[in-house]
Amino acid sequence: NAGVTQTPKFQVLKTGQSMTLQCAQDMNHEYMSWYRQDPGMGLRLIHYSVGAGITDQGEVPNGYNVSRSTTEDFPLRLLSAAPSQTSVYFCASSRQASYNEQFFGPGTRLTVL
Amino acid sequence: GQQVMQIPQYQHVQEGEDFTTYCNSSTTLSNIQWYKQRPGGHPVFLIQLVKSGEVKKQKRLTFQFGEAKKNSSLHITATQTTDVGTYFCAGPRNQFYFGTGTSLTVIP
Repeated sequence: NAGVTQTPKFQVLKTGQSMTLQCAQDMNHEYMSWYRQDPGMGLRLIHYSVGAGITDQGEVPNGYNVSRSTTEDFPLRLLSAAPSQTSVYFCASSRQASYNEQFFGPGTRLTVL
Repeated sequence: GQQVMQIPQYQHVQEGEDFTTYCNSSTTLSNIQWYKQRPGGHPVFLIQLVKSGEVKKQKRLTFQFGEAKKNSSLHITATQTTDVGTYFCAGPRNQFYFGTGTSLTVIP
């Protein structure tokens, strides 16, 4: 099993550009989520999904969209990149939302100029 | 905002000293999880506590869940350089909310 994979590992964008961060898991997990990590801020939840076709907002959803058309994939879209979105982004999955450990991908380091 | 708060934010210790990080929630948690993130890496699950007052040990690491299920602690005995990293608690409900983390530096 590859676990949770994320692409790309690094990305540089210009302000106003859009892009999609890819996340996939091969563990048949129902719950998937996206976090951003900034110095001193810990891990902040952007969006999450409890199953295919179901998504919801976390604590910092503005500027990001998600969809969950399959159990395996959970892409994160930046609609119009802003310098404030410069961060490290982690995707994670678990069998269910609670009482199950989360498995994290290796992360995507995004810089918006 | 953050559902769980962690203190301290940073901790520097001499190798061999003990280390403790605390996690506090304003609401009762059904369970609490702890993760470790090595520098440049991603968070990795350490343990989950479910019962009120529960104590679990993993070698030099001791995890506690408070009686009211609103706080938790991670204690490392005799730190080693391999303990370096950031330790996060997470209080899942319908979704996972992580604490702000404690960054541990171990000075050889």
